[in-house]
Amino acid sequence: NAGVTQTPKFQVLKTGQSMTLQCAQDMNHNSMYWYRQDPGMGLRLIYYSASEGTTDKGEVPNGYNVSRLNKREFSLRLESAAPSQTSVYFCASSQQGGGQETQYFGPGTRLLVL
Amino acid sequence: RKEVEQDPGPFNVPEGATVAFNCTYSNSASQSFFWYRQDCRKEPKLLMSVYSSGNEDGRFTAQLNRASQYISLLIRDSKLSDSATYLCAVNGGGGYQKVTFGTGTKLQVIP
Repeated sequence: NAGVTQTPKFQVLKTGQSMTLQCAQDMNHNSMYWYRQDPGMGLRLIYYSASEGTTDKGEVPNGYNVSRLNKREFSLRLESAAPSQTSVYFCASSQQGGGQETQYFGPGTRLLVL
Repeated sequence: RKEVEQDPGPFNVPEGATVAFNCTYSNSASQSFFWYRQDCRKEPKLLMSVYSSGNEDGRFTAQLNRASQYISLLIRDSKLSDSATYLCAVNGGGGYQKVTFGTGTKLQVIP
């Protein structure tokens, strides 16, 4: 039981390049989330998926797109990376949405955009 | 006012000391409250949920004060291994209730 896994662990991009961050969970959770964490800003929600087949914007969605590929997988895409997107990205999942349950986090992806 | 606010610290305390952190929230309709622990360069992990009547887990005690809209975390008999950043998380009221995280309070336990 791996919990929540993320790939890659580290990535360096040049401005304008694109990439997809992958996330998968093996806990049969319905809800999945993408956060970014920056110094002094805490965890900020980018997008979430309350259940398979649905996605919604969070607090900071601009510059990102997501795909809930199936119940297990939730990917985050940067179409044209910008230096402001340098951050640590965490994927999380919970059994149900609604913010009433524990969220389980992946180990994170450290992204540097030059 | 931010939705969730924490003192960033750092709180530097000697081993064996008792330390307490507070976390204030702005939405009076919030219903669920959590404390997460985050070690340096790691992901957040749930430390404990916070229940209305308060709850304890070993050396850790969490309390909720709805009237003043804050939650607290008390750590007794601090260990070196308690050194970490402690994030509070609060869900919003109405509609799909997403969780908002505080920026975290850093604790450093000193030998």
